Amino acid sequence: KNEVEQSPQNLTAQEGEFITINCSYSVGISALHWLQQHPGGGIVSLFMLSSGKKKHGRLIATINIQEKHSSLHITASHPRDSAVYICAVTYRGGSQGNLIFGKGTKLSVKP
Amino acid sequence: KAGVTQTPRYLIKTRGQQVTLSCSPISGHRSVSWYQQTPGQGLQFLFEYFSETQRNKGNFPGRFSGRQFSNSRSEMNVSTLELGDSALYLCASSLGLILAGGSNEQFFGPGTRLTVL
Repeated sequence: KNEVEQSPQNLTAQEGEFITINCSYSVGISALHWLQQHPGGGIVSLFMLSSGKKKHGRLIATINIQEKHSSLHITASHPRDSAVYICAVTYRGGSQGNLIFGKGTKLSVKP
Repeated sequence: KAGVTQTPRYLIKTRGQQVTLSCSPISGHRSVSWYQQTPGQGLQFLFEYFSETQRNKGNFPGRFSGRQFSNSRSEMNVSTLELGDSALYLCASSLGLILAGGSNEQFFGPGTRLTVL
């Protein structure tokens, strides 16, 4: 069983739709990361959070430590948001670079 | 500020050979981590270096090794290459320290795509 579970695996949306990607993990963490990977491989860190909620532009990330669950929301989705979104965690007591990754959610936004 | 750079970007090797990949972190970053990405296993942590010391190591065989230099640049080496080592190898740099109220965000390089024939 993967220690970091993401859902859905694949998501197709129409431009303008509100999108939610979910991430669940199984043990205590010190931080959770949301990453974006475009075709070609480059990864961009979107958020790093350990509690509450963060917002950047049309992206919102929330985390519920008690429920071991995080969500990434995209408002007013656009075709340029098409990418793979990856959730990763740093376990409590682990070093910061020791990330455990989910399998990713492939998002396709149609115009 | 220049981003994380990795060289080479693409590499083709044959089974049994060895390979060295290089990663130059963002200026001022002291931590470099390496990850392997394959279609089957996804992203997996290889190792992390901080101030020239290996701080943590993932579950990979001893054929995978790395080091970090005094200028924080890092190299990883894979000896006796196997077909299954074909992957995208990513490095990421960060400050490496927990700062009060601060971030230890990872900044990723573009990756080196290794193909083993």
